[in-house]
Amino acid sequence: GAVVSQHPSWVICKSGTSVKIECRSLDFQATTMFWYRQFPKQSLMLMATSNEGSKATYEQGVEKDKFLINHASLTLSTLTVTSAHPEDSSFYICSARGRGTGPPGGYTFGSGTRLTVV
Amino acid sequence: KQEVTQIPAALSVPEGENLVLNCSFTDSAIYNLQWFRQDPGKGLTSLLLIQSSQREQTSGRLNASLDKSSGRSTLYIAASQPGDSATYLCAALVYGGATNKLIFGTGTLLAVQP
Repeated sequence: GAVVSQHPSWVICKSGTSVKIECRSLDFQATTMFWYRQFPKQSLMLMATSNEGSKATYEQGVEKDKFLINHASLTLSTLTVTSAHPEDSSFYICSARGRGTGPPGGYTFGSGTRLTVV
Repeated sequence: KQEVTQIPAALSVPEGENLVLNCSFTDSAIYNLQWFRQDPGKGLTSLLLIQSSQREQTSGRLNASLDKSSGRSTLYIAASQPGDSATYLCAALVYGGATNKLIFGTGTLLAVQP
């Protein structure tokens, strides 16, 4: 079945530094990727949607200059948290949908990245 | 704007019980409804997907139903086991402009006591 690999699984960084999270589709072409954020004991909140080769579409309230998303190829999307601050600490999960993968409308999720900014 | 709500927020049952998790959505214009499982600190595992034209889907001890007109879906778990303990999330696939997107519910934290 479709597999999405997300790295790193956890990262600790100092306030003011930038962190990059990678999301790779291993056995299919991910035409669309989604990035979610999840606070403790809360549900997933969609941050942005990216189509391969296009600029990402950000949800209302999400700072595009803070959360840089690149979807340069059909198998890789990256989320860069720039100038991270403690309030950016969260669980970030990517999701991908590709051509001919899974049931119609089905999405495959990465295993998530726990970001802690100190 | 689509809003997805899940009741109850938390549930604790003894092993062997049958249980029902509820999911409500405000806009019936959905493409499908999916149920996921999330273990602590982990990503999501897809359990069942119901297309908008379908009424239910079954997989093993799991059965999910969908009533678009009333904006509701239920996940039925038969003969619950401690290994079923996790957070269960429902998500509605909606039209999102350039691409469709999943809107997640608030989740139900399930604990099955041995």
